[in-house]
Formats: sequence, C-alpha cells, structure tokens
Amino acid sequence: DTAVSQTPKYLVTQMGNDKSIKCEQNLGHDTMYWYKQDSKKFLKIMFSYNNKELIINETVPNRFSPKSPDKAHLNLHINSLELGDSAVYFCASSQDTFQETQYFGPGTRLLVL
Amino acid sequence: SQKIEQNSEALNIQEGKTATLTCNYTNYSPAYLQWYRQDPGRGPVFLLLIRENEKEKRKERLKVTFDTTLKQSLFHITASQPADSATYLCALDARTGGGADGLTFGKGTHLIIQP
Repeated sequence: DTAVSQTPKYLVTQMGNDKSIKCEQNLGHDTMYWYKQDSKKFLKIMFSYNNKELIINETVPNRFSPKSPDKAHLNLHINSLELGDSAVYFCASSQDTFQETQYFGPGTRLLVL
Repeated sequence: SQKIEQNSEALNIQEGKTATLTCNYTNYSPAYLQWYRQDPGRGPVFLLLIRENEKEKRKERLKVTFDTTLKQSLFHITASQPADSATYLCALDARTGGGADGLTFGKGTHLIIQP
C-alpha cells in the first residue's frame, strides 16, 4: 500500500492555465507538506500544514495555494502557470507538527509550455 | 536562513569500500539532522536522524556522525554495494528550534558504487 500518493504523475500544460495536484496519505499523520524540486535538483519547502496552522515559505508566489479537504489530503492549486513553474513537486507527511521524519510521495512532474 | 553544503556532487566508490559523504551547514545549529536517499524518478526516502545531543547513530551498514562545533555531519556506508548507488540528501529543520515548516535540504551527493 502506498503511504503517500500523488496524482497526476505527469502534467504537461500551457502557460496561463490553472492546474491542481492531489496528494493523499494513509499514515494517519497530522502534518503535510509540499516541496518543489527544480532542474538543479534543489528540494525546497513550499508549505507545511496541519489542522491548526498553515506555514508558507515567503518565496512562494501567491499563485500557489494549498487546499486541505481533510487531514489525509493536501492538494496544490496553481493559478496562471508560468514557464518557471516547471519542476517536480513532492508531497510529504509527518506524524505531527514537531515530528521529524517525513514520508514523501513519488512526485508530480510538471512541464509548462 | 540556513545554508547546507554537500561538498561532493558525485562520488565514485569501489564496491566493498566505505563511502563517506559530507554535509556542512552555516547558520544556526539545528535540533536534528537527517539523511535521505533519492533514486531517479522517486521521492526521497528517510534513512537516519541524529539529534544535536548525539554524536553518532548507526543502522545496519549506515553510520551518521554529528559535530555541532564543526557544523558538520558525516554519512558512512560500509561494505558498499552497487545497490547503494543513489543520491543522498542531507536535511535540517527549516527554522530555529524546529517547527512545522518542513526541512531544508542540501543539493545531494550522487553516489556511484562500481562493481
């Protein structure tokens, strides 16, 4: 059973479009995250979220917004996609706010044309 | 903000030897430091965590050391095997004292174990 799953695995779209990436974890964790891995392979935190607090990395454009319908899901919405948004996006989860070990999903490869 | 340097982009090691990877950080001392493995096309997988008050942690063929004076962690794989070939990422809590805002990762070291 997949602990952290993401859909779609690949996403190719045109500039200016709005898209969403879905993430689900079946680990019963309280905290979920979104990371971006760019072409240089740097993995950077975008958001962390639990039912009490959303923390946004200050470098993330407000075109990106996380949406959590319930504790097991944290979806990523991206408006007005730009070429520079092309990257691999990873969802992750951890037991609670201060728990250290994170479990990552397989990644969503986004290509903006 | 925290800056992490993994000072080998690629490391080639002969099978059976010990591979040693380095992670240096520049700012505040983290509450803990972690090592992850990432294979091509996959998400990172947690390997080991070491806390600021621990000097060394072991798990099977893996060993991690943490020197808060040097601001450095070393990651060792003993009796290396070709299956150990992957990118290894060092990660620290992204904010002083830990918290809910995720991890800061190094760029990673691409380890190649040659048969």
